[in-house]
Amino acid sequence: GESVGLHLPTLSVQEGDNSIINCAYSNSASDYFIWYKQESGKGPQFIIDIRSNMDKRQGQRVTVLLNKTVKHLSLQIAATQPGDSAVYFCAERVTNKVIFGPGTSLSVIP
Amino acid sequence: KAGVTQTPRYLIKTRGQQVTLSCSPISGHRSVSWYQQTPGQGLQFLFEYFSETQRNKGNFPGRFSGRQFSNSRSEMNVSTLELGDSALYLCASRLTANQPQHFGDGTRLSIL
Repeated sequence: GESVGLHLPTLSVQEGDNSIINCAYSNSASDYFIWYKQESGKGPQFIIDIRSNMDKRQGQRVTVLLNKTVKHLSLQIAATQPGDSAVYFCAERVTNKVIFGPGTSLSVIP
Repeated sequence: KAGVTQTPRYLIKTRGQQVTLSCSPISGHRSVSWYQQTPGQGLQFLFEYFSETQRNKGNFPGRFSGRQFSNSRSEMNVSTLELGDSALYLCASRLTANQPQHFGDGTRLSIL
């Protein structure tokens, strides 16, 4: 099957601080990118998306940045809360197929 | 609006058996995709159906198959189960190709 890597990076953040989760994508033809949050025992939950003709998009407490030059995507979470603890996945769409990254585990320290 | 519903939530099978998993998409969504999630391989795409036709397929053996019904509900079948098929199987639906997928909570399949 298609996948990107095996290792799950982890990030620990103090409650109230800002979190930055990074993702390197693989295909320069990708035209649509999505961030998902997955909590234990649940399916991935849509957070925010961005199209390749944009470089920044903001939501509620979240911002996604896209750098197509270096094929890099980041998710910024402002004022991180304990409920933000989860695994975060970036995904890229290539020729109508969505490919997920390996995920980053975010732990929020109260 | 109800989300994506997958049944059953948990399933235990033995090697050599076959299994059918069910997915009901969000009302109005005609695209349904299936993914396999394991700790070692992450989220891997199995296939996508749109209006009862398979539109995309991942790199899985022919033991993995699926179908979609006229009401957009989908099933996936795995035949001749192997130990390595133990995984969380996720279903996702979306309204159009330019919209994000919305996932169900998955079926946890354990092979003994």
